Amino acid sequence: AQTVTQSQPEMSVQEAETVTLSCTYDTSESDYYLFWYKQPPSRQMILVIRQEAYKQQNATENRFSVNFQKAAKSFSLKISDSQLGDAAMYFCAYRSSAGSARQLTFGSGTQLTVLP
Amino acid sequence: DTEVTQTPKHLVMGMTNKKSLKCEQHMGHRAMYWYKQKAKKPPELMFVYSYEKLSINESVPSRFSPECPNSSLLNLHLHALQPEDSALYLCASSQDLGGGRASYNEQFFGPGTRLTVL
Repeated sequence: AQTVTQSQPEMSVQEAETVTLSCTYDTSESDYYLFWYKQPPSRQMILVIRQEAYKQQNATENRFSVNFQKAAKSFSLKISDSQLGDAAMYFCAYRSSAGSARQLTFGSGTQLTVLP
Repeated sequence: DTEVTQTPKHLVMGMTNKKSLKCEQHMGHRAMYWYKQKAKKPPELMFVYSYEKLSINESVPSRFSPECPNSSLLNLHLHALQPEDSALYLCASSQDLGGGRASYNEQFFGPGTRLTVL
């Protein structure tokens, strides 16, 4: 079974600065998908960024980028130019590409505070 | 339409009540999910429907009963709940192209129903 670990329960960043959230995972598969979801106090889980394991290029979405290290099984999220609206719980998630797999395996989450 | 809607937003019920949560999506997704989420924890998968058939039941107690009347709707019927069932209940949907490399098959989440059992 796959596991996802987020070792930072809480992080804080000054507005306009850069912060990196860590995520490691354990799997014996070679093909899979990785996601970062954001859950603000409004509760809705929003997809921030996604990465396919067989693509070597790191995904980027505006101020959000990932550092995907397949050999190290690491998938960190970098938020540049942090904004107050980035404050949320961030979850890293894994999905197998095998068969009809639909389940997401979530990490325990990192609570990000943005300081004005 | 790229959203998943859930009703009601909040629900308070007694342990003897029967209530239902509703989820709707119009993105043509064929997989729909129910999750339970406690505060500051990740979502826990409860049920997965694929093409309107129940494909995964994560050993959820029978006081939770899912129903998928059609490809756009997902219900969760609640009966004789316990106070420990109080949580945020999230619905999600995905394309469900059968896995493999065909698609990220990412899940789109609704805003959730905050359930309190007294």
